[in-house]
Amino acid sequence: KNQVEQSPQSLIILEGKNCTLQCNYTVSPFSNLRWYKQDTGRGPVSLTIMTFSENTKSNGRYTATLDADTKQSSLHITASQLSGSASYICVVNYNNNDMRFGAGTRLTVKP
Amino acid sequence: KAGVTQTPRYLIKTRGQQVTLSCSPISGHRSVSWYQQTPGQGLQFLFEYFSETQRNKGNFPGRFSGRQFSNSRSEMNVSTLELGDSALYLCASSDDGNYGYTFGSGTRLTVV
Repeated sequence: KNQVEQSPQSLIILEGKNCTLQCNYTVSPFSNLRWYKQDTGRGPVSLTIMTFSENTKSNGRYTATLDADTKQSSLHITASQLSGSASYICVVNYNNNDMRFGAGTRLTVKP
Repeated sequence: KAGVTQTPRYLIKTRGQQVTLSCSPISGHRSVSWYQQTPGQGLQFLFEYFSETQRNKGNFPGRFSGRQFSNSRSEMNVSTLELGDSALYLCASSDDGNYGYTFGSGTRLTVV
């Protein structure tokens, strides 16, 4: 079982709609959690970085939440755009220098 | 400020050969990490270098090695290539290694 589980595995939404992606993790001790957006054929681009004390962080149309007690994070995307079609990857840093990657959620935004 | 630069972008090698990939981090960043990305396994951590020293290592065989130079540029070497080594190899740099990694566009390696 992966120590960082993302859901759903894939998602199709219409342009302009909102969606929420989930990331649950089991690793500890927790250092920080990052959400990345990866366009096809490109490297991942950081969207948000959240530490233990942060519950919510926004970056434009992206809002990440973190519940360190339940070890859950979500990434909410509002008013999705066609350019938002990408893989969204959750990465958890723990034990200071160790990290685990989720398998990602493949989001497709259709007109 | 230039981003993380990886060369080459694409590479085709034959089984048994060896390959060297290059990564130039963002100016001032001392941490460079390498990752392998495949459709089946997703992103997997290879190793991290900080100030020319390997600070962290993932679970990859010894055929995968790396090094970092005094100017923070890093190279990754894979010897005795296998078909399963075909993947996108990503490099990321950071100023302190714990926050805010910036990824390069990757090197697409195909082993035939």
